[in-house]
Amino acid sequence: AQKVTQAQTEISVVEKEDVTLDCVYETRDTTYYLFWYKQPPSGELVFLIRRNSFDEQNEISGRYSWNFQKSTSSFNFTITASQVVDSAVYFCALSEAREGGGADGLTFGKGTHLIIQP
Amino acid sequence: NAGVTQTPKFRILKIGQSMTLQCTQDMNHNYMYWYRQDPGMGLKLIYYSVGAGITDKGEVPNGYNVSRSTTEDFPLRLELAAPSQTSVYFCASRHRSRGNSPLHFGNGTRLTVT
Repeated sequence: AQKVTQAQTEISVVEKEDVTLDCVYETRDTTYYLFWYKQPPSGELVFLIRRNSFDEQNEISGRYSWNFQKSTSSFNFTITASQVVDSAVYFCALSEAREGGGADGLTFGKGTHLIIQP
Repeated sequence: NAGVTQTPKFRILKIGQSMTLQCTQDMNHNYMYWYRQDPGMGLKLIYYSVGAGITDKGEVPNGYNVSRSTTEDFPLRLELAAPSQTSVYFCASRHRSRGNSPLHFGNGTRLTVT
């Protein structure tokens, strides 16, 4: 069975600090996909990134970066120079790769509530 | 592009009432999903569908029913509302692909059962 653990329930930092959100996953599959979603206070879910299990390169997009380490089953998310607009709940999710693309959806972690104080 | 549209945005039900949460997508996605989100619990899958006429149970299907008569629509039915069904409900869709394309979510329906 798949499992995603986001041990940090809530993180509070002051604006401009760097912050890392942890994600640890469990799966018996050798091929799988990992995702991060952002849920701002307005409530919608916004897709941030997808990473497949064969690609362990880190990715950077502006102030966002992701560190995928298969050896530790982790897919951590770092925000550099945080801003108040980054305040949101962030979800890590896992999907197994199957014929047809994993029809049964994503397994989500419980989310990390990130608070950026001005 | 509208994407995934959910209606209503808010609803208050009395115990035992029934209602249908509507979901429609205009992206011609094969796969559609219903999730519920409870505070501090992440999202849990209720039902999903891989195409018109095909539905299957997710992790928490009890108390709900779905149908998929068209590619575009995937309504969620609550027959006898219970307080435990107070939650935020999200509909999502995605394209069928080997690469596990990301889910596109609607804006959610906040349901309160009292």
